[in-house]
Amino acid sequence: ETGVTQTPRHLVMGMTNKKSLKCEQHLGHNAMYWYKQSAKKPLELMFVYSLEERVENNSVPSRFSPECPNSSHLFLHLHTLQPEDSALYLCASSLGSGGAGETQYFGPGTRLLVL
Amino acid sequence: DAKTTQPTSMDCAEGRAANLPCNHSTISGNEYVYWYRQIHSQGPQYIIHGLKNNETNEMASLIITEDRKSSTLILPHATLRDTAVYYCIARVGGKLIFGQGTELSVKP
Repeated sequence: ETGVTQTPRHLVMGMTNKKSLKCEQHLGHNAMYWYKQSAKKPLELMFVYSLEERVENNSVPSRFSPECPNSSHLFLHLHTLQPEDSALYLCASSLGSGGAGETQYFGPGTRLLVL
Repeated sequence: DAKTTQPTSMDCAEGRAANLPCNHSTISGNEYVYWYRQIHSQGPQYIIHGLKNNETNEMASLIITEDRKSSTLILPHATLRDTAVYYCIARVGGKLIFGQGTELSVKP
């Protein structure tokens, strides 16, 4: 257990559905991240939040909409996804977001399948 | 962030030391070297990180060459549960850029 939880662990959705992924950290961290990992590919950073403000958006399509209501919770709202969006979505947190010496801790991920 | 190069795969006998190399010849003076591992379909797990000095914790040791152009992660007594993909990352600022990593197979 890393102190970062994600729900649901598995999700199947149609292309017209709207769903949300949830991440919660119990570490007292101030920064949270969303990553995407497609099959046989490295992790790709999607969004970074620091103190509930979005500080990075790595050219992610608008069908992915993040929300950070407080420093402990992070959501990824999904709508009109495509089959190629099927992947493992990982959440991570760190104490801050600006220091190279700050360790990120990952949740177990949500395995998403878009039909 | 500096590019890192790792072997695609390695085997290790159970109970022996696993030495995983990483080249980061373009690393700059303020970039840390991080190691994570990912067991199949789980979230990456932090192992260790260092800047200049060798580091050791309960999971592993990190040996960084004096010129900082390469490093080695050492798992002193590998077990079957250490089978995973190991990522070496040179990092400056907040970003972790993951490469393909080394797939370590620990065999009985």
